[in-house]
Amino acid sequence: AIQLTQSPSSLSASVGDRVTITCRASQGISSALAWYQQKPGKAPKLLIYDASSLESGVPSRFSGSGSGTDFTLTISSLQPEDFATYYCQQFNNYPLTFGGGTKVEIK
Amino acid sequence: QVQLQESGPGLVKPSQTLSLTCTVSGGSISSGSYYWSWIRQPAGKGLEWIGRIYTSGSTNYNPSLKSRVTISVDTSKNQFSLKLSSVTAADTAVYYCARDLLGIDYWGQGTLVTVSS
Repeated sequence: AIQLTQSPSSLSASVGDRVTITCRASQGISSALAWYQQKPGKAPKLLIYDASSLESGVPSRFSGSGSGTDFTLTISSLQPEDFATYYCQQFNNYPLTFGGGTKVEIK
Repeated sequence: QVQLQESGPGLVKPSQTLSLTCTVSGGSISSGSYYWSWIRQPAGKGLEWIGRIYTSGSTNYNPSLKSRVTISVDTSKNQFSLKLSSVTAADTAVYYCARDLLGIDYWGQGTLVTVSS
């Protein structure tokens, strides 16, 4: 199974900060990667699909990049509603796998 | 607007079979080129992909659960289902049903299933 390693596992940031989360795949997955945001007690929400395509309705401060094994989720200017846990997921090989998550906390 | 809703027992005894159903509204489960998936999340932990079924009925499962998992679809009821046999306490989690293609764009609200005697 393809392993997805997210870093960091947690971070503290302030409103307005630029935040970058990395997801590294154990083998190449082309651009078959999605990013999700999850808040406590809620289902995850799709932010980015196909590594860099912004899901409809998601603010443009979210962006994704990368291909192959290295991927990045960037929040250009962190907003209060962005404090949450973020997960990556690969769709290139079965079994589909998720990264371990990155918790973004208020500094 | 597509909506998904999980239903089923919240408590299952060890060694028994966990059975959940996902009812899809706002669209036909047979239309489009979508997969219908199950994902779970133990309390305080990350997401685990269980498996998915295509509109044609073909399935793919997580090998870590494969011998115990069955996902099926009932197009007449616009539902798909999960069965997980021989459950243990390690199967206690919130179970989500979802729709996906290149990303999971619609999720159910999740249902907590506890395995305990």
